[in-house]
Amino acid sequence: DTAVSQTPKYLVTQMGNDKSIKCEQNLGHDTMYWYKQDSKKFLKIMFSYNNKELIINETVPNRFSPKSPDKAHLNLHINSLELGDSAVYFCASSQWLAGYNEQFFGPGTRLTVL
Amino acid sequence: KNEVEQSPQNLTAQEGEFITINCSYSVGISALHWLQQHPGGGIVSLFMLSSGKKKHGRLIATINIQEKHSSLHITASHPRDSAVYICAVSTPATGNQFYFGTGTSLTVIP
Repeated sequence: DTAVSQTPKYLVTQMGNDKSIKCEQNLGHDTMYWYKQDSKKFLKIMFSYNNKELIINETVPNRFSPKSPDKAHLNLHINSLELGDSAVYFCASSQWLAGYNEQFFGPGTRLTVL
Repeated sequence: KNEVEQSPQNLTAQEGEFITINCSYSVGISALHWLQQHPGGGIVSLFMLSSGKKKHGRLIATINIQEKHSSLHITASHPRDSAVYICAVSTPATGNQFYFGTGTSLTVIP
């Protein structure tokens, strides 16, 4: 059973399109995250979300929006895609325990914007 | 300047060698994490530390809170250890989101 799953694994699209990446976790965790890994393999937090709070990294453009229909899902919507959005996007989840939060990562979604 | 600095950036070792990867951070942390990213891209959590030392098989992670420094050691390295090793810290000031180091790309040659 996959703990954290993402779909699709690969996404190729044109500039200007709107797309979504889905993330689901079956670990019963209460906090989920989205990370972006750029071409230099550097990981950066985009969002963290639990049932109490959405924390947004201030560098994330507002074209990106997380949507959580329930605790087990945190989807990433991207509007008006740009070339610079091409990257690998990782979803992760953890149980919020006053900072002692081991995170479990999804397999990643490679987004290519043409 | 990144909140988390790792060294070296790239490391090539012969099978059997003892390997050390270093991580320094500049922020107050809840915990420090060592992650492994294999060539296929998946990311796995190896260790989560808030003090002292942890050991798992051939992997050992240490942290010195006063010096804001952590090391990941691999004993008797093996080609299957070839991966990118990433240091990350979680900080209470930002809801325990991760700040990542730039990663250390390790290649172990048979």
